[in-house]
Amino acid sequence: AQSVSQHNHHVILSEAASLELGCNYSYGGTVNLFWYVQYPGQHLQLLLKYFSGDPLVKGIKGFEAEFIKSKFSFNLRKPSVQWSDTAEYFCAVKGGATNKLIFGTGTLLAVQP
Amino acid sequence: DSGVTQTPKHLITATGQRVTLRCSPRSGDLSVYWYQQSLDQGLQFLIQYYNGEERAKGNILERFSAQQFPDLHSELNLSSLELGDSALYFCASSPASSSYNEQFFGPGTRLTVL
Repeated sequence: AQSVSQHNHHVILSEAASLELGCNYSYGGTVNLFWYVQYPGQHLQLLLKYFSGDPLVKGIKGFEAEFIKSKFSFNLRKPSVQWSDTAEYFCAVKGGATNKLIFGTGTLLAVQP
Repeated sequence: DSGVTQTPKHLITATGQRVTLRCSPRSGDLSVYWYQQSLDQGLQFLIQYYNGEERAKGNILERFSAQQFPDLHSELNLSSLELGDSALYFCASSPASSSYNEQFFGPGTRLTVL
């Protein structure tokens, strides 16, 4: 069965600090990988996605993620966070014949001004 | 704004009751997905419909059911409600022509069972 692990449950950073959120998945076949963000009181929004090709994926708002197949990882990065990045971040995987997304447990990021 | 709408925004009801949550997908999207977000279970896939037909099922309880209508809106019916059903219920839709399953999420319905 597919699963997604997000290692950091809560992260607190100061503005301008660099961010890396870990995501590991378990699935042996071809996967599609996603990072979604949920700002306080809002719906999930897609940050970036990986389907194939260049394993370094650039998303919106300066976020990027790197797919490392050998490590089953898809970590999210941002070189310099802003207070407005305070949100919950979800890694998700779609694999196999179904279209359902399997989400990780989420990482709450708090950026202090 | 993702283009996916959900009503109502909030719903407060009592145990044993039945409620219906409504979702309208983005214009042109044929697939609708339902997810439940709770503190203890996280974000869990419940069910998917594609053009009126059930396509995939996840961790959906037998007390829950869904359908997608000819105009493509979908309803999630929750019956014999229990305290543990309190959660945020999200609907998402995806384009018919995309095999990559980029899903667009609605604002959610917050269900509180007292």
